Amino acid sequence: AQTVTQSQPEMSVQEAETVTLSCTYDTSESDYYLFWYKQPPSRQMILVIRQEAYKQQNATENRFSVNFQKAAKSFSLKISDSQLGDAAMYFCAYKGPFGNEKLTFGTGTRLTIIP
Amino acid sequence: GAGVSQSPSNKVTEKGKDVELRCDPISGHTALYWYRQSLGQGLEFLIYFQGNSAPDKSGLPSDRFSAERTGGSVSTLTIQRTQQEDSAVYLCASSQPGQGGMPQHFGDGTRLSIL
Repeated sequence: AQTVTQSQPEMSVQEAETVTLSCTYDTSESDYYLFWYKQPPSRQMILVIRQEAYKQQNATENRFSVNFQKAAKSFSLKISDSQLGDAAMYFCAYKGPFGNEKLTFGTGTRLTIIP
Repeated sequence: GAGVSQSPSNKVTEKGKDVELRCDPISGHTALYWYRQSLGQGLEFLIYFQGNSAPDKSGLPSDRFSAERTGGSVSTLTIQRTQQEDSAVYLCASSQPGQGGMPQHFGDGTRLSIL
């Protein structure tokens, strides 16, 4: 079974600085997808960024980028120029190849932004 | 509507009662998912519907849990004879059809409290 591990229960960063959240996963598949979701206190899970395993290029969405290391099964999220609105729980998630549609989530990292 | 809609937002009930949670997916999204988030935990997959195919029920924790999706749109998650360990936030998500790891869009969830 696939597993997703987030080893940092909590992280904090000064406003405008850069922070990296770690995620590792375990799978025997070669084709899969990885996601980072943000969950503010409102409870809604918001998609931050998505990476296809067959793509070597790291995904980027504005201030958010990933470092995808397929051989190491690592998928970290870098947030640049941190803003107060970035404060939330961040979840890393794995989805297998087509036909295996469920997401497997890590336990999350609570990110605090220090003004 | 613009997003996934879930109702009720909060539900408090006594142990042993049955509860029904509702999810209205984004229009045009053929895939619908239910997840459970216990306090301080990541999301746990429960069930997945795709079009007219048989649902993937592999995540349902016991036979007290069931779900249906009528007309390929609205879904209802039913928990019979509720137990205190059923207390959690129940999140629904939907996604567009596709083979490319289509991102799941989440609702705000239903917080279920069993007294």
